[in-house]
Formats: sequence, C-alpha cells, structure tokens
Amino acid sequence: KQEVTQIPAALSVPEGENLVLNCSFTDSAIYNLQWFRQDPGKGLTSLLLIQSSQREQTSGRLNASLDKSSGRSTLYIAASQPGDSATYLCAVKGVRTNAGKSTFGDGTTLTVKP
Amino acid sequence: DADVTQTPRNRITKTGKRIMLECSQTKGHDRMYWYRQDPGLGLRLIYYSFDVKDINKGEISDGYSVSRQAQAKFSLSLESAIPNQTALYFCATSDDRVSYEQYFGPGTRLTVT
Repeated sequence: KQEVTQIPAALSVPEGENLVLNCSFTDSAIYNLQWFRQDPGKGLTSLLLIQSSQREQTSGRLNASLDKSSGRSTLYIAASQPGDSATYLCAVKGVRTNAGKSTFGDGTTLTVKP
Repeated sequence: DADVTQTPRNRITKTGKRIMLECSQTKGHDRMYWYRQDPGLGLRLIYYSFDVKDINKGEISDGYSVSRQAQAKFSLSLESAIPNQTALYFCATSDDRVSYEQYFGPGTRLTVT
C-alpha cells in the first residue's frame, strides 16, 4: 500500500523567508506527483504537477522537485508572503500500488506572519 | 465558469435521510472521483469511475453509492445518512490521456444531525 507522509504538519515563518515543504512516499512506481494548495474550508487548487520522468517543475515563486529513487518531493516557496498561508498537500498517482488513483498526504499547514 | 462544479455547496440533513451530492465537469475527462475530507484523516477515496461504464469502490465506500449519468456527471448518494458522514466532500476529475492531472471541485460541506 502506498503511503504518503508530509513533514512538518505545521510551519510558521516570517514574511520574506524562503521555505521548503517535504513529501515522502513508499512506492516509487508512480505516474506523477501533484502539489495542491487548500485554503480553510475550500477546495484544492493544483499548484504543480511533476511527471515520473521529470525532476522538477517551476511556477512563479514555487519550485517542486522529485526524486523517485528516494521517494521524496520538495516544494520550495521563495520570498514567502502572508497570502501563501494555507495547507499544502501532495498527492502521488501510482502505477502499481493503487493503480490510477492518487494517495494524499495529510498536508503541511503554513502560516506566514507579516 | 468553473471546470468542476458541485451542488449543493452546503447541506444540513437529519439522520436516516437520503441525500444526493452532484458533480458536473466541463473538462471532457473520462475519470471522476469522490473523496471525503475529515480533520486529522486527510482525503479518502469513496468511489471512482474511469468511464461511464466503469465504477469502482474506493477505500471507504460503505454507506455510499454513486451514479455516472454521463461523462460529465457523477453523483454521490448517502442512502441513510448518519452523523459520522459529516465531512467535506470533494469531486475531482483527471485527464487520462496526457498528464493524469487532477482537478477538484469546490466541495460540499455536509452536516448530519
């Protein structure tokens, strides 16, 4: 069974700081890994999608990396802003384990203080 | 207009009532999913459908049923609602031809009293 872990569960940083969120998974046979943002009580907004053949993806101040062999992905947020405060979830779509379906981590709740 | 829509957005119902949550998408995706989200338990898959004729149980399907009326519509029913089905419910679609990227609806907050 694929297991996805996100550490830390919560993170608080001052505005302007660069930060890294972590996502680890147990089965490296994946189609892709997707990072989402969720505001309280709201839906999930897709931030970045990394295919299994890719090493990283970038969008604005966000950069996501993928290391399949070690079962790890990181989401790097540059120059954080209070508007970045949200819960960030990663989801892994499996080839072997849970084929065709995604397994989600529990998320990291980020607070950026002005 | 949103690509994935859910109705209703909020619903309060009583124990034992039957309710239906509806999902529509305009992305043209064959794959659709229903998840529930509970504090501390994350997102869990209830049912998924890879096309109109293919419906599968997820990890927590007991107490739920689904109907895939068309490529664009996927409904979730609670036949006899119970309080522990109080949760935030999400519908999602994914592209199964290129990227398998998932797109989520805005969610339905369901409270069973």
